[in-house]
This record gives sequence, structure tokens and C-alpha cells, in this order.
Amino acid sequence: GENVEQHPSTLSVQEGDSAVIKCTYSDSASNYFPWYKQELGKGPQLIIDIRSNVGEKKDQRIAVTLNKTAKHFSLHITETQPEDSAVYFCAAILDGLTGGGNKLTFGTGTQLKVEL
Amino acid sequence: GAGVSQSPSNKVTEKGKDVELRCDPISGHTALYWYRQSLGQGLEFLIYFQGNSAPDKSGLPSDRFSAERTGGSVSTLTIQRTQQEDSAVYLCASSLDRTSGNTGELFFGEGSRLTVL
Repeated sequence: GENVEQHPSTLSVQEGDSAVIKCTYSDSASNYFPWYKQELGKGPQLIIDIRSNVGEKKDQRIAVTLNKTAKHFSLHITETQPEDSAVYFCAAILDGLTGGGNKLTFGTGTQLKVEL
Repeated sequence: GAGVSQSPSNKVTEKGKDVELRCDPISGHTALYWYRQSLGQGLEFLIYFQGNSAPDKSGLPSDRFSAERTGGSVSTLTIQRTQQEDSAVYLCASSLDRTSGNTGELFFGEGSRLTVL
């Protein structure tokens, strides 16, 4: 089955700096890679995703890059703000877009702290 | 609100007791998932329901764990003879089917925090 590794486990940055979180996956057939943000006491929420037919996707201050050859993908947050402080999870899945969805395999999470 | 609702939000129980955790998915979502999040850990898949198909139970850690989804909507996760290592936050999520161009985005509830003394 799929295995997803995520680094670092904790990350502290100064407000305004950039933050990068990296993930690697094991199953070369995986083709859908979402990122979820979990605020304290809340459930995770999707913030951005990428499919294997593209190498990069941006949404305002966040971006995700994918290297299929190396089987790794990264989340980039620019101009970090205190409200970006949360736990971030990467995930991977072989998504055939037919029938039902299957279970996402999540990374172990990164605690991001944005300091004033 | 129309989000995923879980109850109870907190449950403290004694070792050996049975517990039931409930999940109300978003109306119209055909897929329902249970994940477990232990302190400082990632999201561990437990079980997945999709429509009328047989559930994927491959993540259940032992036969003390079971789950049902009645009428394609509400789901109950049952843990029998609870152990201290069962202490965790149990998260439920629902999604649309990935057919018809849906992304299959998971919408999570806020979780049920279980503490086994």
C-alpha cells in the first residue's frame, strides 16, 4: 500500500517569511495529492491539491509542487501570517475517478508556528 | 450548519467499557470515512463506506473495533472493551463520489476525543 512521509514535524518561522513542507510517497501510481490544514480543536480542511498531470499549482499565498520522478511534493506558504499557524497534512491516493473514492494515506503532519 | 457532525465531542470512559461514537455526514455525500488521530500523530485510516458497497475495514486495528452506516447516512463507530491505547481523537469525514468530476474532497467533523482511564 501507499506510504507517505512528511518533514519537518515542526516548523517555526517569523511572520512574513516563507514556509516549506515536504512529502514523499511510495506508490508511483498515486495521482492525486491534497494538503489539509488542521487548526486547534478542528477537523482538517482541504487547502490545496494537485494532480499528477501538472507540476505546480498556486492559490494566492500557497503553492504546491510535484516531482513525479522523485515521488515527492511540497507545500509552499509565502508571506506567512499568524493565522497560518496550524498542523498541515499531506496525502496521496490513486484516484481512478471511477466508482467510489478510496482511502487517502496521510503524512504524519507538520506543526507550523508563525511567530510575530 | 451543514457540515459533518460528530458526537460526543468528548468521552471519558473506564478501561473495559464499550463506547459508541456517532457521525452525521453532509447530506448527499455517499462516502464516509473514520480516521484516528493519536496525540502528536498523523491520521490513521480506520474504515471507509461508499454507497451500498461492502465497507473497506482494512484499517480497523482489532476486532474490538466495528462500524456501521445505516441507511447510507449516519455512522456509528463502536469500540468494545476499551483499552488505554484507544485514547485518541476519532475523526469522521464524508465526501462526494469521485465520479462525475468531483474531487472527492474530504469534509471532516471536529472529532470525538476519547479518553480511556
